Amino acid sequence: KAGVTQTPRYLIKTRGQQVTLSCSPISGHRSVSWYQQTPGQGLQFLFEYFSETQRNKGNFPGRFSGRQFSNSRSEMNVSTLELGDSALYLCASSDRVYEQFFGPGTRLTVL
Amino acid sequence: GENVEQHPSTLSVQEGDSAVIKCTYSDSASNYFPWYKQELGKRPQLIIDIRSNVGEKKDQRIAVTLNKTAKHFSLHITETQPEDSAVYFCAASRVTGGGNKLTFGTGTQLKVEL
Repeated sequence: KAGVTQTPRYLIKTRGQQVTLSCSPISGHRSVSWYQQTPGQGLQFLFEYFSETQRNKGNFPGRFSGRQFSNSRSEMNVSTLELGDSALYLCASSDRVYEQFFGPGTRLTVL
Repeated sequence: GENVEQHPSTLSVQEGDSAVIKCTYSDSASNYFPWYKQELGKRPQLIIDIRSNVGEKKDQRIAVTLNKTAKHFSLHITETQPEDSAVYFCAASRVTGGGNKLTFGTGTQLKVEL
């Protein structure tokens, strides 16, 4: 099976703009989780989607949102970008509740 | 919420030696503990995991132990090789029918020297 894919791989935006990142899970996986990775804060959970419903949410401001489509693909959106949003955004898919498999990430740089 | 502490932050060993990385967690209801390996510029890779109904799990040169009473778990790598050099992350989660939200430790940079 193909692994988790994320697009785009790299993105440069300016403060105040918004961005949409995409994640395609492993075929058959219905759960998609999103994480933010930064050198200072490490890996932090953003949210999890299952069957098009947000099942869990982390402690991020409302500027961070997501959704999942009927084919399990997921998108996350960040509005009104801030410099501190520069990070590697990782999604992970799961076919059961336990093991999560990560995609390669989207490197977002906010100038 | 859950808090996971990981030690050491850096670890340097000679090839062939063993490496041990330790994590503690705060939520006694956590029941799932995966370990991920992340090489520079690459995605985190799940290398081993353990559930709270098991005390130890092995997979070739890698083993994980869990002490629920003390709320800590450890990763053991034996006969280390240069390709084991990477950042290792532990994580903990209270897995329920409602999903799996991983809380990660801060990572351990493992360097295996020739």
